Amino acid sequence: GENVEQHPSTLSVQEGDSAVIKCTYSDSASNYFPWYKQELGKRPQLIIDIRSNVGEKKDQRIAVTLNKTAKHFSLHITETQPEDSAVYFCAANRDDKIIFGKGTRLHILP
Amino acid sequence: AAGVIQSPRHLIKEKRETATLKCYPIPRHDTVYWYQQGPGQDPQFLISFYEKMQSDKGSIPDRFSAQQFSDYHSELNMSSLELGDSALYFCASSLGLDSTVGEQYFGPGTRLTVT
Repeated sequence: GENVEQHPSTLSVQEGDSAVIKCTYSDSASNYFPWYKQELGKRPQLIIDIRSNVGEKKDQRIAVTLNKTAKHFSLHITETQPEDSAVYFCAANRDDKIIFGKGTRLHILP
Repeated sequence: AAGVIQSPRHLIKEKRETATLKCYPIPRHDTVYWYQQGPGQDPQFLISFYEKMQSDKGSIPDRFSAQQFSDYHSELNMSSLELGDSALYFCASSLGLDSTVGEQYFGPGTRLTVT
């Protein structure tokens, strides 16, 4: 089955700097890779996703890259702001369900 | 825009009691997923339904059952509750697109506390 590894588990960056979170997956059949942001006690919110027919996708300050050969994908947040502080989960699909990574707690330092 | 609705938002039960969680998907979404999230953990997939049929099953205990109704809402029934069942239970919905996995949108969750 699918196994999703996510690093780092905790990340602190200065406000205005960039943050990068990396994930790897094991199932070569996975073709959908969403990223979720979760604030304390709230629902995971889909912030961006990428499908296997695309190598990169960008939405304002957020971008995701996918390397199918290496089976890894990354989330890039530029010009970080205090409201970016949250836990970020990467995920990969196995058939139509998604398997989450363990999450990265992102702290934006003033 | 309408989102996924879950009820109740909070539930307190005693050990060995039963609980029923309800999920109302986004209008026109035909696929529902249930996840369990313990404190500080990632959401764990429990079970999913597509067009009222169970489509996949994950780490759902035998004490739990679920179904999807004709109006696409889903209910998760939990019996013989244990302390370890205390968690946030999320429902997510998506629009099934044949062989293409759809984006999943999460509800606000039900916080279940078993005492």
